[in-house]
Amino acid sequence: AQKVTQAQTEISVVEKEDVTLDCVYETRDTTYYLFWYKQPPSGELVFLIRRNSFDEQNEISGRYSWNFQKSTSSFNFTITASQVVDSAVYFCALSSLVTHSGYSTLTFGKGTMLLVSP
Amino acid sequence: DAGITQSPRYKITETGRQVTLMCHQTWSHSYMFWYRQDLGHGLRLIYYSAAADITDKGEVPDGYVVSRSKTENFPLTLESATRSQTSVYFCATGGGGSYNEQFFGPGTRLTVL
Repeated sequence: AQKVTQAQTEISVVEKEDVTLDCVYETRDTTYYLFWYKQPPSGELVFLIRRNSFDEQNEISGRYSWNFQKSTSSFNFTITASQVVDSAVYFCALSSLVTHSGYSTLTFGKGTMLLVSP
Repeated sequence: DAGITQSPRYKITETGRQVTLMCHQTWSHSYMFWYRQDLGHGLRLIYYSAAADITDKGEVPDGYVVSRSKTENFPLTLESATRSQTSVYFCATGGGGSYNEQFFGPGTRLTVL
């Protein structure tokens, strides 16, 4: 069975601080995808990034960066110079590439609430 | 381009009543999903559908019924609502293929009294 653990339930930082959200996953599959979604106070779920299990290069998008380490089964998310607008719940998710139906469902972590204060 | 719409956005009902939550997509994605979001549990999959007339159970299907007669619609029915089904319900779609990426609707907040 697949599992995603986001051990940090809530994180509070002051604006401009860097913050890292941890994600640890468990899967027996050799091919899989990892995702991060953002849920702002308005409630919608916003896709942030997808990473496949064959690509361990770190990725940077503006103030966001992701560190994928297969050896530790982790896919951590760092926000540099945090802003108040970054306040949200962030979900890490895992899916397998191939199933009997040719598709797979997402397994979500329980989320980390990030509060950035001015 | 509306993408994914859910209706109603908010619903209050009473225990024992039947409730149907609607999900409509304009992308013609093959896959559609229903999740519930509860504090402390994250998002949990209720049901999903690979195509019209093909549905499958997720992690928490008990108490729910789905159907998919048309590709664009995926209604979720609570046949006899219980207080434990008070939650925020999200519909999602996916195009399949190698990415498994899912796109989420705005959610329906359901309260069962």
